[in-house]
Amino acid sequence: SQKIEQNSEALNIQEGKTATLTCNYTNYSPAYLQWYRQDPGRGPVFLLLIRENEKEKRKERLKVTFDTTLKQSLFHITASQPADSATYLCALRTGAGSYQLTFGKGTKLSVIP
Amino acid sequence: DTGVSQDPRHKITKRGQNVTFRCDPISEHNRLYWYRQTLGQGPEFLTYFQNEAQLEKSRLLSDRFSAERPKGSFSTLEIQRTEQGDSAMYLCASSPTAFSREQYFGPGTRLTVT
Repeated sequence: SQKIEQNSEALNIQEGKTATLTCNYTNYSPAYLQWYRQDPGRGPVFLLLIRENEKEKRKERLKVTFDTTLKQSLFHITASQPADSATYLCALRTGAGSYQLTFGKGTKLSVIP
Repeated sequence: DTGVSQDPRHKITKRGQNVTFRCDPISEHNRLYWYRQTLGQGPEFLTYFQNEAQLEKSRLLSDRFSAERPKGSFSTLEIQRTEQGDSAMYLCASSPTAFSREQYFGPGTRLTVT
């Protein structure tokens, strides 16, 4: 069966360090993968999209990598700040011709001052 | 720039009652999506509209759930004969046409079925 796994439910890091979150998937061949941020009681907010032919994408302190051989994406936040504390979700389009996204369960990141 | 809005933000209902939620997408976004999210889980796809046409529907979606998007603008999601298992956050998202793939989410409607 198809599955998306974010293999850390929670991650605590010290302010200023780099946070690395992992998203693994099985039985998909996605054309692209997305990362979203979700704060408690709010809807997800789009952060980055990376396509299958891109190895890496950056936006300010954020970096995403996409390895279609390993079926894995890594999401990095450099120089982390307490304001980065949130749940981070990865999402894939899971069917040809489909626009629906399938989300992982998310990783709750806590940046400790 | 007005984002996606949802109404109501919170709804408490008794089991067996019908409820209806409304979503107003970002203007000129012709794609609209409904998701359901329970605690500790990611959003789960329910259905998708392109303009007024409902193009996709989750196989997991019970026939107690129905969604409409008349005139291709706002959308409503109705749940009939609610059950306690329907308690969740119902999220609406929209996206523009063509090459845009990211989705813009509203704040959600929190449903509690007692």
